[in-house]
Amino acid sequence: QVQLQQWGAGLLKPSETLSLTCAVYGESFNTYYWNWIRQPPGKGLEWLGEINHSGSTNYNPSLKSRVTISVDTSKKQFSLKMSSVTAADTAMYYCARGTLVATIVYYYYMDVWGKGTLVTVS
Amino acid sequence: SSEMTQDPAVSVALGQTVRITCQGDSLRTYYTCWYQQKPGQAPILVIYGKNNRPSGIPDRFSGSYSGNTASLTITGAQAEDEADYYCNSRDSSGNHVVFGGGTKLTVL
Repeated sequence: QVQLQQWGAGLLKPSETLSLTCAVYGESFNTYYWNWIRQPPGKGLEWLGEINHSGSTNYNPSLKSRVTISVDTSKKQFSLKMSSVTAADTAMYYCARGTLVATIVYYYYMDVWGKGTLVTVS
Repeated sequence: SSEMTQDPAVSVALGQTVRITCQGDSLRTYYTCWYQQKPGQAPILVIYGKNNRPSGIPDRFSGSYSGNTASLTITGAQAEDEADYYCNSRDSSGNHVVFGGGTKLTVL
């Protein structure tokens, strides 16, 4: 059964760069999209971006200038970097596996999630 | 449009049926999926595609569609169903993922 294990610095100062990594255990790395999502305290989920095994990325347009997602297929890991953080970036950050179905019908879902990493900017 | 709209809060009496809705133009192209999130936990997928449940999700959870509106129905709500529910899909361009704002379900 696939599991995602994520890690990274939990306390940052304003203007620093957030860096998180997510490792995939127990499943093929290919054919999926690998996502980062965040959730500020008491608020909803916000998608940050995704990457596939070949390194193709998509980003949330509102954060695109600050977010970079990369992949290391040899280690089955993908990473998030967010530059110039402020207090508004304080949130729980999740990694998640995404599946896109685009045949006769179209849908996308994220069925495996990491446990989350709380990042505080202060 | 990349927005997906949900009612902020819904309540249901124990054992009754409740419908949580999600509206968005992208739902005319993409089926949505639904996540359940309890306090302090990561979201879990409860419905995906037209009306598919992952293994382990009770059959009281179901999904349906009408135009640009998707619905998550819980038939015979249980106390353990009290949680936040989020809809999720790709936007109309297919290049971005969007979440609804979430619905807080209270089971009375």
